[in-house]
Amino acid sequence: GDSVTQMEGPVTLSEEAFLTINCTYTATGYPSLFWYVQYPGEGLQLLLKATKADDKGSNKGFEATYRKETTSFHLEKGSVQVSDSAVYFCALSDRAAGNKLTFGGGTRVLVKP
Amino acid sequence: NAGVTQTPKFQVLKTGQSMTLQCAQDMNHNSMYWYRQDPGMGLRLIYYSASEGTTDKGEVPNGYNVSRLNKREFSLRLESAAPSQTSVYFCASSERLAGSYNEQFFGPGTRLTVL
Repeated sequence: GDSVTQMEGPVTLSEEAFLTINCTYTATGYPSLFWYVQYPGEGLQLLLKATKADDKGSNKGFEATYRKETTSFHLEKGSVQVSDSAVYFCALSDRAAGNKLTFGGGTRVLVKP
Repeated sequence: NAGVTQTPKFQVLKTGQSMTLQCAQDMNHNSMYWYRQDPGMGLRLIYYSASEGTTDKGEVPNGYNVSRLNKREFSLRLESAAPSQTSVYFCASSERLAGSYNEQFFGPGTRLTVL
């Protein structure tokens, strides 16, 4: 079945540091890929998405590129802020598996001033 | 628009008690979902409803039942709670299940503790 693997946290950074969170996937079909973010005490929010190979999703300074050859969708941000402290989830939606979302385990990011 | 709302926010149960978690969305979405979130395991799908009048099992349905009351509301019931069901429960909705991608909108969650 489909699966998503992302790096375990927590990741602790200083403000203005560069952030990378690795995400790789396995899928039966040709999935769409997502990054969701969960701020403390809240539900998940869609951060960005990509629906085909080489697409780059971007939002709020975050970027991720759909790499079909390496089955990866790594999340990056060039200069993090304290307000970026959250849990980040990589996910896929595979039409061959009924289009339901499959999530990775989540990566907690803590940005210190 | 409120988006996806869930009640209650917190609940403590004793083993064997029953309860229903309520979820409603005001986005006129066709599909709704219930997930549980456990540390290090991401979100796992319990049940989903592709459209009004249909429900299907997800990855971890044992111990739960659901009702799609109408297009807006999708409830999750624990008939006899067990400590293993201690978790944070999220409801989500999307425009539809089919299509090129499936953007889901999430509620704020219900934190359930079973003693």
